[in-house]
Amino acid sequence: NAGVTQTPKFRILKIGQSMTLQCAQDMNHNYMYWYRQDPGMGLKLIYYSVGAGITDKGEVPNGYNVSRSTTEDFPLRLELAAPSQTSVYFCASSYAPRTGAPRQYFGPGTRLTVT
Amino acid sequence: KQEVTQIPAALSVPEGENLVLNCSFTDSAIYNLQWFRQDPGKGLTSLLLIQSSQREQTSGRLNASLDKSSGRSTLYIAASQPGDSATYLCAVGIGQGETSGSRLTFGEGTQLTVNP
Repeated sequence: NAGVTQTPKFRILKIGQSMTLQCAQDMNHNYMYWYRQDPGMGLKLIYYSVGAGITDKGEVPNGYNVSRSTTEDFPLRLELAAPSQTSVYFCASSYAPRTGAPRQYFGPGTRLTVT
Repeated sequence: KQEVTQIPAALSVPEGENLVLNCSFTDSAIYNLQWFRQDPGKGLTSLLLIQSSQREQTSGRLNASLDKSSGRSTLYIAASQPGDSATYLCAVGIGQGETSGSRLTFGEGTQLTVNP
């Protein structure tokens, strides 16, 4: 299994540009998540999804959009990029908590710089 | 609002030493607590997960304890090795209903260096 994969690994955007960060998992997990990590800080939840077609906001959703059309994929869309969105973005997935094993598996991250 | 604090922010120890990393949280109504390891430029690896009904979990040289009433967790690393050098993050699982425990609030991490 490849686990959780993310593309691209690095990206530089100009202010006002848009882009989509890709995330895919092959573990048949229902739950998927997007986090951002600013330098020297912990991770903050942007959006999460409990299954195909179902998404919900996390702690810091402003400036981002998500969709979940399949179990495997959970892309994150940045519209009108701003310098405040410079960060490392991590995607994660897990089984549903009711299974008793909601351990989250993380991708390697996408390092985004907005200038 | 749940807040998670980790102390110390950085720790440097000689190889072989036993050490304790601390995590505290402000709201005791958590569903689980996880400890993660993060290597530079890499993603996170889940080390231990403690459900709210449990007091501790062990994996190899790692032992994590949870005291919900006092809002604290500790990660104990026995006989530390240079390969243990990394940032250790604590996260508490919050949420309601079906999603309970899936939404994580992270601390800022403890950067550990184990010197040969």
